[in-house]
Amino acid sequence: ETGVTQSPTHLIKTRGQQVTLRCSSQSGHNTVSWYQQALGQGPQFIFQYYREEENGRGNFPPRFSGLQFPNYSSELNVNALELDDSALYLCASSSLFRGSEQFFGPGTRLTVL
Amino acid sequence: TQLLEQSPQFLSIQEGENLTVYCNSSSVFSSLQWYRQEPGEGPVLLVTVVTGGEVKKLKRLTFQFGDARKDSSLHITAAQPGDTGLYLCAGVLGGSQGNLIFGKGTKLSVKP
Repeated sequence: ETGVTQSPTHLIKTRGQQVTLRCSSQSGHNTVSWYQQALGQGPQFIFQYYREEENGRGNFPPRFSGLQFPNYSSELNVNALELDDSALYLCASSSLFRGSEQFFGPGTRLTVL
Repeated sequence: TQLLEQSPQFLSIQEGENLTVYCNSSSVFSSLQWYRQEPGEGPVLLVTVVTGGEVKKLKRLTFQFGDARKDSSLHITAAQPGDTGLYLCAGVLGGSQGNLIFGKGTKLSVKP
């Protein structure tokens, strides 16, 4: 069974740029959630995708957007990057049919200069 | 306002000591999960508790869900240096889409 993978591992961008982060879900899982973890904080929910549709969203502005593909992999896009977007971005996969347990990938460390 | 309050925020103990981490809320959760996170890595799921009053054991770790499903605790017996890491509690609110609400975490350091 393949775990959750994310790419890239690290990324450095400048303010105002756009970024795309990628996530492959664990086999057998149909739901992907994205979280932002600032330094010294717990992860904060950004949004969740199920059947290629957004299935819930946290308190993040519209410049945070996402996609889910037919193979359940997902992308997180952030436009007009701000310094405060610097964080570890975590992807978690789960199955809506198997309860709420979520399994996390290793994360992408984004630094905005 | 933090929906899930985790305490203590930092804990530094000697090998062999016992410790307890607390996770408290005024909200009722349909389930609560405990994760451990190493620096620069994603959280790793330790346990899920779903029933009020439930107790689960994982070797030297004991997890308890409060009767009212508003709080939880993690107790580690005879801590080892390998237990060092960030411990996160995360709850799922009833009626939500299943997204996790995390506490800020407890950074545990166990010295040999």
